[in-house]
Amino acid sequence: GAVVSQHPSWVICKSGTSVKIECRSLDFQATTMFWYRQFPKQSLMLMATSNEGSKATYEQGVEKDKFLINHASLTLSTLTVTSAHPEDSSFYICSARGGAGARGEQFFGPGTRLTVL
Amino acid sequence: GENVEQHPSTLSVQEGDSAVIKCTYSDSASNYFPWYKQELGKRPQLIIDIRSNVGEKKDQRIAVTLNKTAKHFSLHITETQPEDSAVYFCAASTHTGNQFYFGTGTSLTVIP
Repeated sequence: GAVVSQHPSWVICKSGTSVKIECRSLDFQATTMFWYRQFPKQSLMLMATSNEGSKATYEQGVEKDKFLINHASLTLSTLTVTSAHPEDSSFYICSARGGAGARGEQFFGPGTRLTVL
Repeated sequence: GENVEQHPSTLSVQEGDSAVIKCTYSDSASNYFPWYKQELGKRPQLIIDIRSNVGEKKDQRIAVTLNKTAKHFSLHITETQPEDSAVYFCAASTHTGNQFYFGTGTSLTVIP
């Protein structure tokens, strides 16, 4: 149980294009999903927290107009990197947390490697 | 906001020895402290967690201790094996789980 998937696993795009990354909880309902960014050999940096049906809460320094997050259902959250530039190249990982009664642990997706040319 | 610090950043031990990784946190409201293991290019995997109502938790070769007064918690791996080599992250979270912050990571290498 507690499987989280991400799609795509790897994407290469041209500068200026937008890229959408999907995060799905496959066998549980995720009331909260988190989006992280990870640079090589560095820690996970929390970008935003999204609760189903409400607007995402962005961490300080993260541009909400650049990183659009939608948590439309209890099993799906999407992150759209708008007008991507080379500095947006990174490993993006989502995680999901269960609903009422959940112990609080997060389950991570496999990550999406974004390369912007 | 929460600030989680982790030490050391790199750690090498001989196979069979013990490894200890320490973390401190700043927000006294944090009460859930998980540890994750991340192998290169893979997702973080939860290996053990502890909540603020206990001081120590053990699962086979892995143990975690928590000192809530001092705001620090540690991961202990005994009888290390080469497959324990990975990056380990500590994290701190509140009960609601809507604030979740990671330490900077420790790259553990177990030398056969």
